[in-house]
Amino acid sequence: DAGVIQSPRHEVTEMGQEVTLRCKPISGHDYLFWYRQTMMRGLELLIYFNNNVPIDDSGMPEDRFSAKMPNASFSTLKIQPSEPRDSAVYFCASSLGGGAEKLFFGSGTQLSVL
Amino acid sequence: SQKIEQNSEALNIQEGKTATLTCNYTNYSPAYLQWYRQDPGRGPVFLLLIRENEKEKRKERLKVTFDTTLKQSLFHITASQPADSATYLCALEVRDDKIIFGKGTRLHILP
Repeated sequence: DAGVIQSPRHEVTEMGQEVTLRCKPISGHDYLFWYRQTMMRGLELLIYFNNNVPIDDSGMPEDRFSAKMPNASFSTLKIQPSEPRDSAVYFCASSLGGGAEKLFFGSGTQLSVL
Repeated sequence: SQKIEQNSEALNIQEGKTATLTCNYTNYSPAYLQWYRQDPGRGPVFLLLIRENEKEKRKERLKVTFDTTLKQSLFHITASQPADSATYLCALEVRDDKIIFGKGTRLHILP
């Protein structure tokens, strides 16, 4: 298995533009997590899914952020409109189960909003 | 407020010595606690998981302890090597499979 695949690897955009980040979890994994990492705040959980259903989105900072998981092999995180404070590394992770199972992380998307 | 604390200061350890990292948490009663390693420009990589009914877990040169009374986990690397230099993150399941992370501790093993 290729592991968790995220795209793009780097994204540079201007304030106000729409940004879409993509994630392909490991086949057979039931859980998918989106995290955001900054120096100041560390690794923050934004939202997570179980069997394609969002379970907890309390970490999504604002209505500008939305996430979908239309099927077991694909998820998107969208920011519209983007702002400079959204600049961070966004990670997707998947696991076979919940807290008792290890997370497998993708390589992340480095987002820069100018 | 609920939080996970890891020593935000970088930890410098001489090669060959034991490195000990601390993870403290408040207002949680996690059933599981995990440790991850993160190298620059990469995603975290899982190292060890310990359950609330386990006091200690070992894997090669790594050892993790979990004290639910103190609300603390200790992560040890024995016979440390420069290749062990990285950021180490602890993670808790806080409820309903929701997993949150501490900010991590940067470890430098000095040759």
